[in-house]
Amino acid sequence: GAVVSQHPSWVICKSGTSVKIECRSLDFQATTMFWYRQFPKQSLMLMATSNEGSKATYEQGVEKDKFLINHASLTLSTLTVTSAHPEDSSFYICSARDLSYGYTFGSGTRLTVV
Amino acid sequence: QQQVKQSPQSLIVQKGGISIINCAYENTAFDYFPWYQQFPGKGPALLIAIRPDVSEKKEGRFTISFNKSAKQFSLHIMDSQPGDSATYFCAARGNTPLVFGKGTRLSVIA
Repeated sequence: GAVVSQHPSWVICKSGTSVKIECRSLDFQATTMFWYRQFPKQSLMLMATSNEGSKATYEQGVEKDKFLINHASLTLSTLTVTSAHPEDSSFYICSARDLSYGYTFGSGTRLTVV
Repeated sequence: QQQVKQSPQSLIVQKGGISIINCAYENTAFDYFPWYQQFPGKGPALLIAIRPDVSEKKEGRFTISFNKSAKQFSLHIMDSQPGDSATYFCAARGNTPLVFGKGTRLSVIA
């Protein structure tokens, strides 16, 4: 089946620094990828839709200058949390759509900002 | 506005029993209804999915029942096992990205 690899699985960073999270589709091409945020014991909240070769579409209330998304190739999308603060600490999950298997999710990245 | 309503929030089932989780939706443009299983610290994994032209789909111990007129769909886990203990999310997609229910935390006890 389709595999989406997400790295790193966890990261701790100091307040004010930036963190990049990578999402790769390993065995299929993904023109569209999605980034979600999940708080403890809550559902997945869509942050943005990442389109290869074009600007991402952000959901209402998501700061596009804080959460920079780049989808430079058909197999890679990155999410950069800029000037991270403790309130940005969360579980970030990417997803890619494969025409055969539907939506496949990465294993998630636990971000802790101290 | 919650587009997919999921219940119950939590569920405790005896080993070998049937776990039932329900979801309801309003948007008639939805055309794809997947269920995901998520373990702590991991991303969601697709369990089973259904399209509205089918009323039931079974894969192993997992069955989706779909009622288009009632705009409801449910997940049945037969012969529930302790390893099934996880959070389950229903979801739906139409002309929008996937929208998720709030999740059901399932505990299967021996």
